[in-house]
Amino acid sequence: SQKIEQNSEALNIQEGKTATLTCNYTNYSPAYLQWYRQDPGRGPVFLLLIRENEKEKRKERLKVTFDTTLKQSLFHITASQPADSATYLCALAGNSGYALNFGKGTSLLVTP
Amino acid sequence: DAGVIQSPRHEVTEMGQEVTLRCKPISGHNSLFWYRQTMMRGLELLIYFNNNVPIDDSGMPEDRFSAKMPNASFSTLKIQPSEPRDSAVYFCASTTDSTTEAFFGQGTRLTVV
Repeated sequence: SQKIEQNSEALNIQEGKTATLTCNYTNYSPAYLQWYRQDPGRGPVFLLLIRENEKEKRKERLKVTFDTTLKQSLFHITASQPADSATYLCALAGNSGYALNFGKGTSLLVTP
Repeated sequence: DAGVIQSPRHEVTEMGQEVTLRCKPISGHNSLFWYRQTMMRGLELLIYFNNNVPIDDSGMPEDRFSAKMPNASFSTLKIQPSEPRDSAVYFCASTTDSTTEAFFGQGTRLTVV
């Protein structure tokens, strides 16, 4: 069966450090992978998309890597800030095409 | 655009009652998704519409759940009869064929007592 796995344990880091979150998947052949941010009481918000032929993508302090051989994506936040504290979800399109399947997310807490 | 609009934001109902959740997608978006989020199971895809037609409803948990999209600007998710295990946050999201990112509503927190 298809699975998307993210570290269920919360990640606590100090302000200014780099946060690295992991997303592993099985039984998908994704053309792209997406990362979303979710704050308490709100819906997920799109952050970045990386395509299968892209090794790395950057947006401001965010960097995403995508290794289709390892079936893994890494999500980095450099120079982290307390405002980065949230749950981060990775998502892949399932067999129906556009519909996204999500991992359970990893909670990030950045402390001053 | 106001984004994806869901109503109500909160719903508390008694077991056995019918519950209807509503969603207005972003204007011009032709794909609409209903998700359910719980701590245990995360964000689960329930059903996906494209151009108002249900494409994939394999995530609908059982016959008590039904969804409709009578036009491009409105969708409903109905649970009848509701059970305590249906308690969750239900999200609606929309997108277009030419983009891949999904835009989510604020969600409806459903509590069945």
